[in-house]
Amino acid sequence: GAGVSQSPRYKVAKRGQDVALRCDPISGHVSLFWYQQALGQGPEFLTYFQNEAQLDKSGLPSDRFFAERPEGSVSTLKIQRTQQEDSAVYLCASSIGHLKNSYEQYFGPGTRLTVT
Amino acid sequence: SQQGEEDPQALSIQEGENATMNCSYKTSINNLQWYRQNSGRGLVHLILIRSNEREKHSGRLRVTLDTSKKSSSLLITASRAADTASYFCATDRTGANSKLTFGKGITLSVRP
Repeated sequence: GAGVSQSPRYKVAKRGQDVALRCDPISGHVSLFWYQQALGQGPEFLTYFQNEAQLDKSGLPSDRFFAERPEGSVSTLKIQRTQQEDSAVYLCASSIGHLKNSYEQYFGPGTRLTVT
Repeated sequence: SQQGEEDPQALSIQEGENATMNCSYKTSINNLQWYRQNSGRGLVHLILIRSNEREKHSGRLRVTLDTSKKSSSLLITASRAADTASYFCATDRTGANSKLTFGKGITLSVRP
């Protein structure tokens, strides 16, 4: 079946612009995660949804970052007034959910954001 | 912040040899997972080991977990050129399907 998809795959933004990154999780997956991966580093957690509820947003670096999942499926990560340090790959992952006793996360290909 | 520390940071071996990668972490965990990332692609889940398990196998992969030392190792036997990738360990602290905390990764190169 289809995996996690993300769009766009690449985004170049001028400093100060707003961007919106989209994630389509695997159908039926309850849990959705956003991670930020800087060059040469491991992914770092940003935020987590269980269905439409945002249960953890402790990793969002500033109030310029906002995520939503209004219908419990597709999610959007929005970054306002982008800055150069926001340049990174943004990864989305989904999981069936712990109630199914399944903890593996399935990752999308990521969106590479470059802020100039 | 990143919890895991993998070592070595880079590993280069000949096809057919075994590759051993280590990971240490700082806090108690529910489970530990290993992921692979090929250049320019997303992460692929390889294997999960729960905190009450000591060893697990999946095909050519063998993972061990020592909770007293807060460390894990991933062994890839009979490596292939296609195993060339970055490998990350990730810890799940609560088991409530919350966030994974990743290490910085190990770059494995398998020479044909």
